[in-house]
This record gives sequence, C-alpha cells and structure tokens, in this order.
Amino acid sequence: EAGVAQSPRYKIIEKRQSVAFWCNPISGHATLYWYQQILGQGPKLLIQFQNNGVVDDSQLPKDRFSAERLKGVDSTLKIQPAKLEDSAVYLCASGGQINEAFFGQGTRLTVV
Amino acid sequence: AQSVTQLGSHVSVSEGALVLLRCNYSSSVPPYLFWYVQYPNQGLQLLLKYTTGATLVKGINGFEAEFKKSETSFHLTKPSAHMSDAAEYFCAVSNSGGSNYKLTFGKGTLLTVNP
Repeated sequence: EAGVAQSPRYKIIEKRQSVAFWCNPISGHATLYWYQQILGQGPKLLIQFQNNGVVDDSQLPKDRFSAERLKGVDSTLKIQPAKLEDSAVYLCASGGQINEAFFGQGTRLTVV
Repeated sequence: AQSVTQLGSHVSVSEGALVLLRCNYSSSVPPYLFWYVQYPNQGLQLLLKYTTGATLVKGINGFEAEFKKSETSFHLTKPSAHMSDAAEYFCAVSNSGGSNYKLTFGKGTLLTVNP
C-alpha cells in the first residue's frame, strides 16, 4: 500500500513570497490533516478535512494560509505572503478510520 | 481541551539499558493515547496506541506503554535500548468520540543511545 505522498521535500523562499505544498493521501482515506512542526516542538494541527469538507481549521492563520481538497483526494496548502516564523516542516496525514493517522515525510520550508 | 506534557526534552541511555519516556496528559473526556517516533528528515510513524481495553499496550520494535488513569500517564518503555532506537518520540492524545479526531502532540523527547 502506497503511503502519503508530499511534495516538494524541501523549499527555500524569501519572506513575502508565496509557496504551495501538495499532498496525496492513501487511497480511500476520507480524512486528511495538515500539521505544522516548528523546530523543537510537536506537530500542531492546521486544518482537518473530511472528504472535501473542512472539519477543523481553528488554528489555521487564515490571513495568510489557505488549503483546499478538491474532489476529496489531493490537497494543497498555500502560504501567501510567507513570514520568517513560517519556517517549519509541514506534515500531511490521512486516515481511513477514526483515530487513525498515517503521516507523509513532510515538506521542510525555510523562509529567509 | 486536551494537552500533553512530555517530561524531559532529551533522554540519553546506554545500549542495552532500559528506556523510559514519560508522558502525562490532560483530557476532559476518556482519552485515546498514542506514541509516535520520528527519525531525522522523516514523517511520524505510529509506535502504539491505547483506545480501550487492556491498559498495557505493546507496539512495534519492542516498545510498550501503560495507560494509568489515576496518574493521567502513558509512559513508554523498552527493556533494552538498541542503537536504532535513537530518534525523537512524541506522545499524543485525542478525544474518544466524534468525527473531529484531532491529535494533540507533546513537544517531543529526543532519545540518544550511547554505545
């Protein structure tokens, strides 16, 4: 079974630029999560989708972050404009059942 | 609201020694509890989880954890450390019901294994 795929693996951008991350969940998984992991901290949930609907985006900085999950499969997370404090690893995870989350390898973003 | 506290951001053990990583949680409803491991430049891999039933949970790579409701703890142990166990370990909690299954993570504990 293929795992959660994320791209790119690494990205370096200047502050105020925009960036997008892509996630392809495990086939058949209805739930998709985006987490932000700042160096030295645990992952923090940014947004949770159930199929193509948003279940929880309470910790998503909506003035600069946006996410979509078209057709309930792939998802993209966008940051515009980026700030220095957005430097982190962005993890995508998917789940087919309650209390299940399989993580991708993440995208490491560096904002300079 | 739910939260996780991992005691000790860095634990160092000798190869063959007991591994003990501490986790305490706070939850207003019966919790589900998890331990994940993260190797450098990798995503998180599930080690084990507690949902209901037996409070001693066995996971992969010889790890186990015990849910102690009275102590609000879910400590992770392994009898004998191996060099390959060196990684960062995260404890996490989620609610036991509803569709909004949200994992709340601790800050992590970096495990170093010395030869």
